[in-house]
Amino acid sequence: DAKTTQPPSMDCAEGRAANLPCNHSTISGNEYVYWYRQIHSQGPQYIIHGLKNNETNEMASLIITEDRKSSTLILPHATLRDTAVYYCIAYTGTASKLTFGTGTRLQVTL
Amino acid sequence: GAVVSQHPSRVICKSGTSVKIECRSLDFQATTMFWYRQFPKQSLMLMATSNEGSKATYEQGVEKDKFLINHASLTLSTLTVTSAHPEDSSFYICSAPAGGETQYFGPGTRLLVL
Repeated sequence: DAKTTQPPSMDCAEGRAANLPCNHSTISGNEYVYWYRQIHSQGPQYIIHGLKNNETNEMASLIITEDRKSSTLILPHATLRDTAVYYCIAYTGTASKLTFGTGTRLQVTL
Repeated sequence: GAVVSQHPSRVICKSGTSVKIECRSLDFQATTMFWYRQFPKQSLMLMATSNEGSKATYEQGVEKDKFLINHASLTLSTLTVTSAHPEDSSFYICSAPAGGETQYFGPGTRLLVL
């Protein structure tokens, strides 16, 4: 799996959009960009994934650059419950293992 | 999304005893499941891949005789920590791919060995 790079931490005011960047410059053509988050003392929660096109679901939006070397996870209206560590992972999606990096610790504040 | 459960959610045991942790996929079948370990303030580290009907595959540095994995059915994998010691205290998490693609994680099991 391609290596991903994320900032170690970010802050966001409640109600504002949280934009979490991820670099994956060595991503291969068959690797998706997956995002998970881990709230303290819980298992990781799947958020969203994409291959080339931008994706949106009830939790977030995923913007992938045209060259696929980077992406941004957008939480449109962050709440305190979104405080967590967010992991960006390049993954083929073929039931193979996931490799977690250090992620971005997002702190949402009042 | 798909649901993965783990039992127990937390366990405290004495040094030298064995502890079994169950991982179940509740609404889908999984021929493969994964076991991770997470120490405080660290990321998840893959321990092993559990394969239904065959032996588990362990990551480098993980003792297969200490961490016994049994994938008994298409919805159940168990991890047994044998002769547990305080350094085995950790957060153990399993995952399973639903539809052979997106992986879903269990809520984790916190093990404390006294």
